[in-house]
Amino acid sequence: NAGVTQTPKFQVLKTGQSMTLQCAQDMNHNSMYWYRQDPGMGLRLIYYSASEGTTDKGEVPNGYNVSRLNKREFSLRLESAAPSQTSVYFCASGKDRGLIETQYFGPGTRLLVL
Amino acid sequence: RKEVEQDPGPFNVPEGATVAFNCTYSNSASQSFFWYRQDCRKEPKLLMSVYSSGNEDGRFTAQLNRASQYISLLIRDSKLSDSATYLCVVNQYADTGNQFYFGTGTSLTVIP
Repeated sequence: NAGVTQTPKFQVLKTGQSMTLQCAQDMNHNSMYWYRQDPGMGLRLIYYSASEGTTDKGEVPNGYNVSRLNKREFSLRLESAAPSQTSVYFCASGKDRGLIETQYFGPGTRLLVL
Repeated sequence: RKEVEQDPGPFNVPEGATVAFNCTYSNSASQSFFWYRQDCRKEPKLLMSVYSSGNEDGRFTAQLNRASQYISLLIRDSKLSDSATYLCVVNQYADTGNQFYFGTGTSLTVIP
């Protein structure tokens, strides 16, 4: 049981390049999330998917697209990377326990855009 | 105004001390509340959920005051291993699903 896995762990891009961050979970959770974490800003929600086949914008969606490929996988795409997208990206999945959903995070992807 | 606000610290306390962190949230419709722990360069991990009645897990006690929109975490008998950043998290439910809002975190260093 690997939990939430993310690839790659590190990436350096040049401005204008594109890339896809991969996320997979093996806990059979319905909800999945993408966050970015910047110094002094806390984690901010980029996109989320409440269930397979649905995706919705979070707090900071501009410059990103997502795909909920199946129940296990939720990818984040940067079509044209900008230096402002330099950040640590965390994927999470959510376990429902009645009205409370607990999030489990992947190890993160550290992205540097030059 | 930020959805969740925390004192960033840092809090530097000796082993065995008791330390308390506070957090306020702006949306009174928020429905569930959590404390997460994040070690340096690692992912956040759930420490505990926070209930209106208050809840305790070993040395950790969490309290929620809905009227004041205030959440607290108390750590008793601090250990070196408690050194980390503690994130206050608030959940708001929308028709499209849950949205979680994170505070910027409070840094704790426990000193031998």
